[in-house]
Amino acid sequence: QKEVEQNSGPLSVPEGAIASLNCTYSDRGSQSFFWYRQYSGKSPELIMFIYSNGDKEDGRFTAQLNKASQYVSLLIRDSQPSDSATYLCAVKDNYGQNFVFGPGTRLSVLP
Amino acid sequence: ETGVTQTPRHLVMGMTNKKSLKCEQHLGHNAMYWYKQSAKKPLELMFVYSLEERVENNSVPSRFSPECPNSSHLFLHLHTLQPEDSALYLCASSQSGQGLLYEQYFGPGTRLTVT
Repeated sequence: QKEVEQNSGPLSVPEGAIASLNCTYSDRGSQSFFWYRQYSGKSPELIMFIYSNGDKEDGRFTAQLNKASQYVSLLIRDSQPSDSATYLCAVKDNYGQNFVFGPGTRLSVLP
Repeated sequence: ETGVTQTPRHLVMGMTNKKSLKCEQHLGHNAMYWYKQSAKKPLELMFVYSLEERVENNSVPSRFSPECPNSSHLFLHLHTLQPEDSALYLCASSQSGQGLLYEQYFGPGTRLTVT
């Protein structure tokens, strides 16, 4: 059973701080990693994807991947109240079309 | 329209009803997915269609029946559902191929309530 784990939170950070969201996965064959943001009552929205070890930056967001440790994280710099949402980590292997999602981490950015 | 659309957005049905959910993608993708999202549970993949053929079926009860007539349209036919089937049903699409980067894009979802 392939699993993706996330701390359910809530993770509370003050406005302007760095929010750090973590995700671990069980399948060593995983090749592609995705972060989605989901506001309450809305569908998931893709933020970033990463497939190589290291960091990938896009604006205020940085995804970090460590395949040896089976760990992927998302950093949000200069957090804003509008970043308050649930962040879903998703993992995909290289063979099928199966995306496995984690339970999500609820982030609350306090003004 | 752009992106992934779903209709209806809200549906209330009795346990003896038959209804269908519709999904349409305008992104030129060739894979489509149905997910179920219940409160406090991870997204559950129900069905995957790649190039209009079903490639994954994660032991979903037969009261859910998918249909993918072409790469742009996906249906989920519902019959004799149970109250525990009440959830948000999400459709997604992606490109399918040998490359690594084929992220999914989600529709707005259908909020289903079974009474």
